[in-house]
Amino acid sequence: GQNIDQPTEMTATEGAIVQINCTYQTSGFNGLFWYQQHAGEAPTFLSYNVLDGLEEKGRFSSFLSRSKGYSYLLLKELQMKDSASYLCAVRDSNYQLIWGAGTKLIIKP
Amino acid sequence: TAGITQAPTSQILAAGRSMTLRCTQDMRHNAMYWYRQDLGLGLRLIHYSNTAGTTGKGEVPDGYSVSRANTDDFPLTLASAVPSQTSVYFCASSDSPGSTDTQYFGPGTRLTVL
Repeated sequence: GQNIDQPTEMTATEGAIVQINCTYQTSGFNGLFWYQQHAGEAPTFLSYNVLDGLEEKGRFSSFLSRSKGYSYLLLKELQMKDSASYLCAVRDSNYQLIWGAGTKLIIKP
Repeated sequence: TAGITQAPTSQILAAGRSMTLRCTQDMRHNAMYWYRQDLGLGLRLIHYSNTAGTTGKGEVPDGYSVSRANTDDFPLTLASAVPSQTSVYFCASSDSPGSTDTQYFGPGTRLTVL
């Protein structure tokens, strides 16, 4: 079966750095996505990785290791507005997205 | 630009009744998708359409039907609602299903079936 694993919840302090991990087992791999979802809102796109390595976008970075079936999202200089759920999704061999249940990130002052 | 709109925002529906959730996009995207999101679970694909005139079944299609008469609209119909269909429903679109383009989501419809 196909499986995406992420921690259910994480807590971090404003101004700090947090790393959200995602491991996957899917039938084929055609890219990995990270989305942000604030409570009661729609998911919005954060990053996309298809090759191994680190992709940096301002305060957010995403890393991929295809051989390990592993990715992480790194958030730096945390702000209160970063409190949200972070969804990991893998595009499988049929080009459909398989989604993790999401990691709820709580930022404390 | 509106992007993707969904209607209604929320609905309470009696079991056994039918309902159509509406989804319209103005980005001229080829592909559209319907997901449901339940607490503790990832988004699950119900149905998708890679281009106008074609549809396909996702992970959880039973009890739902879709149509894609044109590029912009992708309605989702529940023929006879059951309580297990209580969920938040998201419509999404992408420019091309096999490309690296991301999926863009509508604001969602919160459906409660009693």
